[in-house]
Amino acid sequence: DAEITQSPRHKITETGRQVTLACHQTWNHNNMFWYRQDLGHGLRLIHYSYGVQDTNKGEVSDGYSVSRSNTEDLPLTLESAASSQTSVYFCASSEGNRVVSYNEQFFGPGTRLTVL
Amino acid sequence: QKEVEQDPGPLSVPEGAIVSLNCTYSNSAFQYFMWYRQYSRKGPELLMYTYSSGNKEDGRFTAQVDKSSKYISLFIRDSQPSDSATYLCAMSGYNQGGKLIFGQGTELSVKP
Repeated sequence: DAEITQSPRHKITETGRQVTLACHQTWNHNNMFWYRQDLGHGLRLIHYSYGVQDTNKGEVSDGYSVSRSNTEDLPLTLESAASSQTSVYFCASSEGNRVVSYNEQFFGPGTRLTVL
Repeated sequence: QKEVEQDPGPLSVPEGAIVSLNCTYSNSAFQYFMWYRQYSRKGPELLMYTYSSGNKEDGRFTAQVDKSSKYISLFIRDSQPSDSATYLCAMSGYNQGGKLIFGQGTELSVKP
């Protein structure tokens, strides 16, 4: 069965370190998204991609970067981790492209990141 | 002001109760309305999807959209302890490239 996986599931790091969270989907979806989830804020979009070599900034992109070298993977990098980036991170994917209005997004299980 | 507002709760009800969850929004361009269910320490899963205004029913769940009031609702009939989860509303519009705007999520607990 097709799925979307994230690794690691839990991560503790120190302020200033670079951290990369992995996201891998086997749906062969063009669209991939990264969100963070914090109490009182719901899910907020960090970065998204409509295909290989395409990346776009979301609502809360400062301090984060992504790259898309193949269809299956969209790793999220925290360049210099800050305590404000302690959160639960979710990756999602969907069919379509940048001009599609809506397709169901399928979410991964999440990565719980703590920055000390 | 957030584009989508949702009462975060928590909401606690007895088993068998009717649950009403609501979201308001400010962007009149939204045409696609979704409810996601998220169990503890899991990723969100799509529960209901509605296009434009109207009602949609699926078993014990009913989604309503009132675009004139910019208000959407999710009703759960005969609530069960297995319905205990966080419910997130989400919305999108034409030419949004599939991007979703989420509400804050409402934590629901159904007590046996």
